[in-house]
Amino acid sequence: GQQVMQIPQYQHVQEGEDFTTYCNSSTTLSNIQWYKQRPGGHPVFLIQLVKSGEVKKQKRLTFQFGEAKKNSSLHITATQTTDVGTYFCAGPGSGGSNYKLTFGKGTLLTVNP
Amino acid sequence: DADVTQTPRNRITKTGKRIMLECSQTKGHDRMYWYRQDPGLGLRLIYYSFDVKDINKGEISDGYSVSRQAQAKFSLSLESAIPNQTALYFCATSDLRGGGYEQFFGPGTRLTVL
Repeated sequence: GQQVMQIPQYQHVQEGEDFTTYCNSSTTLSNIQWYKQRPGGHPVFLIQLVKSGEVKKQKRLTFQFGEAKKNSSLHITATQTTDVGTYFCAGPGSGGSNYKLTFGKGTLLTVNP
Repeated sequence: DADVTQTPRNRITKTGKRIMLECSQTKGHDRMYWYRQDPGLGLRLIYYSFDVKDINKGEISDGYSVSRQAQAKFSLSLESAIPNQTALYFCATSDLRGGGYEQFFGPGTRLTVL
């Protein structure tokens, strides 16, 4: 089945440092979504990227979708303690269905104040 | 998301017991999903339902069954619980009408099988 690989698995930064997590697929994705899960919480949708080469920003968060639509990244500028959590990317499920998702294993971000 | 609720929030049971986890939503969404989350493994899809008459297996359906009692309710059952089913279980919903495919997750049920 389709797999979405996400790296790194863990990232620890000092507050104020930048952070990036990467998501890669062996197949072309019609779209990719990003979710954040705070410790003890549930995944919360952040954004969806659809177009080749798309770049979207949400305050200090920058999301990119690769030109070949096989990779994506989430970059956080000047991390804050509120950024702590696990960030997941998710692509369409097996068979290319957009209505079920295949999640990466996530990147756990911890921030030292 | 407060519009997606799960009961119970925590459950400890013994091997061999039958367990039902319930999910309700007030979002009016057609699509509902059950995932399990294990440390380091991300979220894996167990079952999903696109409407009341439609039930589909996900990537890890063995040992589980589901029931879509109504548009708003989707239950997950473990017929005979085993310890490796100890995990955090999430219900989620999505809506075709919005044009996007984002999913809205419930607060989760932490299940421990002894």
